[in-house]
Amino acid sequence: SQQGEEDPQALSIQEGENATMNCSYKTSINNLQWYRQNSGRGLVHLILIRSNEREKHSGRLRVTLDTSKKSSSLLITASRAADTASYFCATNPTQGGSEKLVFGKGTKLTVNP
Amino acid sequence: KAGVTQTPRYLIKTRGQQVTLSCSPISGHRSVSWYQQTPGQGLQFLFEYFSETQRNKGNFPGRFSGRQFSNSRSEMNVSTLELGDSALYLCASSLGLRGLAPGNTIYFGEGSWLTVV
Repeated sequence: SQQGEEDPQALSIQEGENATMNCSYKTSINNLQWYRQNSGRGLVHLILIRSNEREKHSGRLRVTLDTSKKSSSLLITASRAADTASYFCATNPTQGGSEKLVFGKGTKLTVNP
Repeated sequence: KAGVTQTPRYLIKTRGQQVTLSCSPISGHRSVSWYQQTPGQGLQFLFEYFSETQRNKGNFPGRFSGRQFSNSRSEMNVSTLELGDSALYLCASSLGLRGLAPGNTIYFGEGSWLTVV
């Protein structure tokens, strides 16, 4: 079963606008990773944030992590049509001692030119 | 540096047959994990191998199995295929070392599309 949920499930914006996606999870984690998936393709790694970190930036991406609320957000600034894709958060649970990732259901982002 | 390579990319099998999927991880990576992605269930963890040993396993029937070789390459096998096994199977690799602050970036391949008819 899925660990958590992303919201919204779908998001449609105009080019140049910012897109914010949220992710909630249920158990204690080591880290949380965000991925992008274009239709029918594999997952592209975007950013990793460890449980002892609160915010990370990478280019137009900003990720926050609130372990007390068991939630994370991904902000894409100045969006482009090429950002159209599904975005997934994935958590690495503390329990298990492995590289297992537990995924949310994803947010489908459409950026209109 | 080559990424995670999965073969074959597409395949069609008949119910009752078996299938073997292959994954070559990024050079130097010792952990290989497998995931199944379907529209209904989303992305689900199958199993993870590290240094030829299964380190974790998801909630899938015994028809799903895997192995890892000494060069870290991995294969997964599904026997007695069912229609519901139709999915995108994704392989992921990472360094796999746990350390004091675990946070290995996990990279995915393009996946193998399996259709069972």
